[in-house]
Amino acid sequence: QLQMQESGPGLVKPSETLSLTCTVSGGSISSSSYYWGWIRQPPGKGLEWIGSIYYSGSTYYSPSLKSRVTISVDTSKNQFFLKLSSVTAADTAVYYCARRPIFGVLTNAFDIWGQGTMVTVSS
Amino acid sequence: QSALTQPASVSGSPGQSITISCTGTSSDVGAYNYVSWYQQHPGKAPKLMIYDVSNRPSGISNRFSGSKSGNTASLTISGLQAEDEADYYCSSYTSSRTQVFGGGTQLTVL
Repeated sequence: QLQMQESGPGLVKPSETLSLTCTVSGGSISSSSYYWGWIRQPPGKGLEWIGSIYYSGSTYYSPSLKSRVTISVDTSKNQFFLKLSSVTAADTAVYYCARRPIFGVLTNAFDIWGQGTMVTVSS
Repeated sequence: QSALTQPASVSGSPGQSITISCTGTSSDVGAYNYVSWYQQHPGKAPKLMIYDVSNRPSGISNRFSGSKSGNTASLTISGLQAEDEADYYCSSYTSSRTQVFGGGTQLTVL
């Protein structure tokens, strides 16, 4: 059973860069059948898609965050990463990583999610 | 891209049916049959309930169903149960090869 786990600092200072890791276990991140994504949820608010990456490194980003976001992948470690620069209090949120199949019966939906990690932006 | 539009809240009594709407544009909901729905209980990660407009993943009750007409998708829950009380989010693939979520709907089981 594939599992995903987010990790990283829970507190980031304003104007600094938020860095998170998603570790995939029980399956290979190098599979050609999936995109791997980041989604966030500010306290008491809705879900916001941040971006997705393919094992080859191909990425797609939310237009509203594109100038500050970098998503990368390390297939040797079965991990992918999120970097969000110049953070403000508005970036305080629970950050989730999730899998999106692109081939097969179930496609174009996030079918497996990590438990989420809370990141607070504060000095 | 703008978030998809969902009602902030809906409610129903046990055993009744409710429908949650999700309105987008011809660039997202109306463009593809790639609308999905997620259930989220407090403090938990979202759970996929419907994909490709109307398909249920393995293990999801057939009380949950989805449909789409034009730029609006809908999630219907029949035979409401107490454990259905949660937040529900729709999502769609877009013509820009991005994803967009709805603002979320809080379901209360009276």
